[in-house]
Amino acid sequence: NAGVTQTPKFRVLKTGQSMTLLCAQDMNHEYMYWYRQDPGMGLRLIHYSVGEGTTAKGEVPDGYNVSRLKKQNFLLGLESAAPSQTSVYFCASSHRDRANEQYFGPGTRLTVT
Amino acid sequence: AQKVTQAQTEISVVEKEDVTLDCVYETRDTTYYLFWYKQPPSGELVFLIRRNSFDEQNEISGRYSWNFQKSTSSFNFTITASQVVDSAVYFCALSDLNAGNNRKLIWGLGTSLAVNP
Repeated sequence: NAGVTQTPKFRVLKTGQSMTLLCAQDMNHEYMYWYRQDPGMGLRLIHYSVGEGTTAKGEVPDGYNVSRLKKQNFLLGLESAAPSQTSVYFCASSHRDRANEQYFGPGTRLTVT
Repeated sequence: AQKVTQAQTEISVVEKEDVTLDCVYETRDTTYYLFWYKQPPSGELVFLIRRNSFDEQNEISGRYSWNFQKSTSSFNFTITASQVVDSAVYFCALSDLNAGNNRKLIWGLGTSLAVNP
């Protein structure tokens, strides 16, 4: 099992460009999450999904969109990147009966110049 | 409101020392889960333990042990005979069980542990 994988691992964008981060999990987890991690701010939840076809906003959803078309994939989109979105992005997944025992991907380091 | 506080921002110890990482939480809920995660220098987040609010029994896993005390709202993590490979940022987190599908983790800001040879 690969667990949770994220693509790409690194990316540099110019302000205004768009991109999509892909998260995939092979553990048949119902729940999936996108976080960003910034120095001094800890982990902040951007969006999450409790099942295929459903998404919900987290703490810091502005500037991001997500989609969960397949159970195993959770996409995070930046339509018009801003320097404030420079961060490390983590995807996670959890089984619905395991109360937020979340398993994380390796992270994507995004720099917006 | 729910909150997780890890008062120790950074800790530095010498190999083989014991070290305790503190975690204090706030919640109005009677049922909840507590977690510890490890983030080594390579950057990934590794799940270490989950504890539910009904089980105050301490847990030991090798050199790791966890002390859950509901009376003081604390869930402290002790590493015995620390090793250089224990160097990482450690996060404590809290989960509210009564939020229906809104299963979010409340994270502490982490404690950076440096174990020096």
